[in-house]
Amino acid sequence: AQSVTQPDIHITVSEGASLELRCNYSYGATPYLFWYVQSPGQGLQLLLKYFSGDTLVQGIKGFEAEFKRSQSSFNLRKPSVHWSDAAEYFCAVDSGTYKYIFGTGTRLKVLA
Amino acid sequence: SQTIHQWPATLVQPVGSPLSLECTVEGTSNPNLYWYRQAAGRGLQLLFYSVGIGQISSEVPQNLSASRPQDRQFILSSKKLLLSDSGFYLCAWSVRAGTGELFFGEGSRLTVL
Repeated sequence: AQSVTQPDIHITVSEGASLELRCNYSYGATPYLFWYVQSPGQGLQLLLKYFSGDTLVQGIKGFEAEFKRSQSSFNLRKPSVHWSDAAEYFCAVDSGTYKYIFGTGTRLKVLA
Repeated sequence: SQTIHQWPATLVQPVGSPLSLECTVEGTSNPNLYWYRQAAGRGLQLLFYSVGIGQISSEVPQNLSASRPQDRQFILSSKKLLLSDSGFYLCAWSVRAGTGELFFGEGSRLTVL
């Protein structure tokens, strides 16, 4: 069965520092991959997605992610974190069967 | 532009009472519709999805049910709530053809006492 693992439950970084959130997936073929962000008490917003082609994808709010087939990973990065980036981040996989599988999320705290 | 509305935003219900959460999508036709539940530290759990009117697929056996009476309306129901039904419920939609992103509603916070 498909699965998504986000090994870091919480991450704390200082404002201006770089950020990397990890995501590993389990799937037999190349899935469709997504990163979403959720502010407290709200729905999820898409940051970026990977379907095919260039393995480095750019998203909104200065985020990027790199698909690495050999490592079954799709890690999210940002060169310089802003206080407004504090939120919960979810990696998700869609195997093309209308079902999206989400990781358990990584809660990001940003120190001033 | 497309919008998704979900209500009520907050609900406090006693154990054993019924539940009805509603979700409607505007500005698109024939969407795929989804209900997710979010519990602390457990990510998003897919409960139901629908690819058309009256077509419901259940992912997790439980005392919840879903219905799609109209193309852009998705309802989550229960006849008798359990304490374990507490959580944050999210409705979402995606385009019917192909794979694309999910668009989420603002969520409904359910507390069962």
